[in-house]
Amino acid sequence: SQKIEQNSEALNIQEGKTATLTCNYTNYSPAYLQWYRQDPGRGPVFLLLIRENEKEKRKERLKVTFDTTLKQSLFHITASQPADSATYLCALAFGGYNKLIFGAGTRLAVHP
Amino acid sequence: GAGVSQSPSNKVTEKGKDVELRCDPISGHTALYWYRQRLGQGLEFLIYFQGNSAPDKSGLPSDRFSAERTGESVSTLTIQRTQQEDSAVYLCASTGTSGSGFEQFFGPGTRLTVL
Repeated sequence: SQKIEQNSEALNIQEGKTATLTCNYTNYSPAYLQWYRQDPGRGPVFLLLIRENEKEKRKERLKVTFDTTLKQSLFHITASQPADSATYLCALAFGGYNKLIFGAGTRLAVHP
Repeated sequence: GAGVSQSPSNKVTEKGKDVELRCDPISGHTALYWYRQRLGQGLEFLIYFQGNSAPDKSGLPSDRFSAERTGESVSTLTIQRTQQEDSAVYLCASTGTSGSGFEQFFGPGTRLTVL
């Protein structure tokens, strides 16, 4: 079965630095991959989507890369701020519709 | 506009009781999903509705779980004879044609505690 691995350990970084989160998967490459942000007690919020034929996507301070050879996506937050502290989930979509398989998420803590 | 809403926000029940969780998707969204999230874990797909098509129930963990949706409106997730392992946050999401058409809009979830 398809497995998605995100670093279970929290990532602690200093404000202003670039945060890099990793999402690795096994078996089949997805049609597309999404990244979500989840704050405590809230539902996930969509951030970015990248398709299998795209290498990189950017949105403001966010950047996502997708390497189907390595079976890996990297999620970068540049000039990080304490307000970026949250859990970040990657989700993979297979098949003809939007059925997502989520990773367990990585908690990011940005310290002032 | 209004987002996805879920009720109740919290539900505490005794083992063996039935519970019903409600989801109101964003108006006009044709697709609706239910997920379960155990503490410290990722989202576990339960069921997917798309318009009038037969739902994808492949994620329902047992026959104690069922869900209904009338047209493109409200959905209810029912758990019969609840067990302690059912304790989790149950999240609902909907998808429409806005944006990329693939992003899922989540509700705040219902936290279920089975004593």
